[in-house]
Amino acid sequence: AQSVTQLGSHVSVSEGALVLLRCNYSSSVPPYLFWYVQYPNQGLQLLLKYTTGATLVKGINGFEAEFKKSETSFHLTKPSAHMSDAAEYFCAANYNTDKLIFGTGTRLQVFP
Amino acid sequence: EPEVTQTPSHQVTQMGQEVILRCVPISNHLYFYWYRQILGQKVEFLVSFYNNEISEKSEIFDDQFSVERPDGSNFTLKIRSTKLEDSAMYFCASTRQGKSSGNTIYFGEGSWLTVV
Repeated sequence: AQSVTQLGSHVSVSEGALVLLRCNYSSSVPPYLFWYVQYPNQGLQLLLKYTTGATLVKGINGFEAEFKKSETSFHLTKPSAHMSDAAEYFCAANYNTDKLIFGTGTRLQVFP
Repeated sequence: EPEVTQTPSHQVTQMGQEVILRCVPISNHLYFYWYRQILGQKVEFLVSFYNNEISEKSEIFDDQFSVERPDGSNFTLKIRSTKLEDSAMYFCASTRQGKSSGNTIYFGEGSWLTVV
């Protein structure tokens, strides 16, 4: 079945540290891939997406993600965490249908 | 920047009552969606809508649910007889192009439904 897996429901980092949020997809045929962020009491905001072309995708707020077909992964990174990055992050995939399939989300905490 | 707007932001309803959640998608978008997120769980697809008809729906979207685009701007989700397990955040979304396009799907801020 088509699915998206996010390893780690909670990730904690210190301010200024590297952020790494993991996402793996299930299909041998790569889907379109997305990272969304949800700040407390807000909706889903697109951070970045991979469709075709360059495998390193840059998004808003200094985030980037690298599509690795050999690992069926699309991990999200940011070199230096900021307090304002604290939020829930969702990886999602579109497998040639009308819908997005979401991962279970990763809550990022940033400590001073 | 254009955005998807949803009303109400929060609604409390008695079990068995009908609820209508409203959405105004981005104006030049053609594909419309409803997703829901039960507290602490992942975001789940409910239904997609294009050209005035449902194009895809999930198992969750049973006969208690319906969608409508009553005019040129609004897109509504109706829950006919609410159950406790319908308590969730409901997200409306829209996009210009549909499946397999890689287009960004834009989400509203959600309507939080509490069934008591």
